[in-house]
Amino acid sequence: EAGVVQSPRYKIIEKKQPVAFWCNPISGHNTLYWYLQNLGQGPELLIRYENEEAVDDSQLPKDRFSAERLKGVDSTLKIQPAELGDSAVYLCASSLGRWGTSGYNEQFFGPGTRLTVL
Amino acid sequence: QQPVQSPQAVILREGEDAVINCSSSKALYSVHWYRQKHGEAPVFLMILLKGGEQKGHDKISASFNEKKQQSSLYLTASQLSYSGTYFCGTEVAGGTSYGKLTFGQGTILTVHP
Repeated sequence: EAGVVQSPRYKIIEKKQPVAFWCNPISGHNTLYWYLQNLGQGPELLIRYENEEAVDDSQLPKDRFSAERLKGVDSTLKIQPAELGDSAVYLCASSLGRWGTSGYNEQFFGPGTRLTVL
Repeated sequence: QQPVQSPQAVILREGEDAVINCSSSKALYSVHWYRQKHGEAPVFLMILLKGGEQKGHDKISASFNEKKQQSSLYLTASQLSYSGTYFCGTEVAGGTSYGKLTFGQGTILTVHP
């Protein structure tokens, strides 16, 4: 079974440039998450989708970050313009969400995109 | 609010045991445990639900004390492959928080031969 796929794995850009990350979740997983992980820290939720709907984007810096999940499958996270402080690993995860069984909602993570802003 | 993990770091020799703790100030619906190796994705280990149900790895065990809102991960007879950073993720009970995990700061586990 294929896991969560993310691309690119690494990205180096100069500040003020735009950047986009792509995520393909595990087949059948209706819920998709984007997390930001700084070095030595746990993942921090940016946005959560249930199918096409963003059900929690309270921690997404909307002045420069945007996300979409067309057709309820793949998702793209964009930063425009990027700032030095955006350097981090961006993780995508998916789960069955409320469509799973027995209340379990384990999340499966992709390998992440390591962003470096110069 | 972020759960608090302890200890921050543990160093073991192969075969030794370790316990990692995770505490929350909020009433929880579930606690999730993950292990992350350097440069890799967090890997799911265990999920514990309010009420006592759990699902996870055969060789790793955990507990969830609902009264104290604390969870502990037990690593017995550690192997070199257990090395990595362990994160707990907590899911607060109630409504719109379903599916939203808040992760602790991590516990670095190093196992030496």
